[in-house]
Amino acid sequence: RKEVEQDPGPFNVPEGATVAFNCTYSNSASQSFFWYRQDCRKEPKLLMSVYSSGNEDGRFTAQLNRASQYISLLIRDSKLSDSATYLCVVNNYSWGKFQFGAGTQVVVTP
Amino acid sequence: DAGITQSPRYKITETGRQVTLMCHQTWSHSYMFWYRQDLGHGLRLIYYSAAADITDKGEVPDGYVVSRSKTENFPLTLESATRSQTSVYFCASSGDVGNEQFFGPGTRLTVL
Repeated sequence: RKEVEQDPGPFNVPEGATVAFNCTYSNSASQSFFWYRQDCRKEPKLLMSVYSSGNEDGRFTAQLNRASQYISLLIRDSKLSDSATYLCVVNNYSWGKFQFGAGTQVVVTP
Repeated sequence: DAGITQSPRYKITETGRQVTLMCHQTWSHSYMFWYRQDLGHGLRLIYYSAAADITDKGEVPDGYVVSRSKTENFPLTLESATRSQTSVYFCASSGDVGNEQFFGPGTRLTVL
């Protein structure tokens, strides 16, 4: 079993709609969580950190469920520019142990 | 504000040749990382470094060598390139353990 698992998608989303997807992790000692965005195999870019109480950044909402060991990302009012692959990242504060999911592809259509 | 840069951006080489990929960051981040990304595998950690002269193996270190004599540089060397090392290589840095990583633009390496 992979340490971090994501539904690869693609999630095809009409412009203006809401899309949500999860990422599950296997290491219960994981302490920090992030969502990254990656376009066409360019470098991943930090979208947002994920905090225990959940957090929002504009149209993006991230949640953490420690009991079930998953994090989620919700995108509201999807824009064409949101089309990308979203990578889930977890870390247990061990400096070599960032675990990346393989990514969830989101395609926003007009 | 250069941030983190990688060179070359594209490289084609032949099997058996030695290749060095360069990574340079201007933030004085302690932690630096090398990943490779292949279709179907996501990002896989090759080597990482917590400070100058401190390096350690990641998930897929075989065939690679790293060094870190200066905080800002973290070169990755393929000692004898193989076709299986054809990939996109990303360097990243982080200011502290557990903090977010910042990625360079990547090097697309093709081994013929």
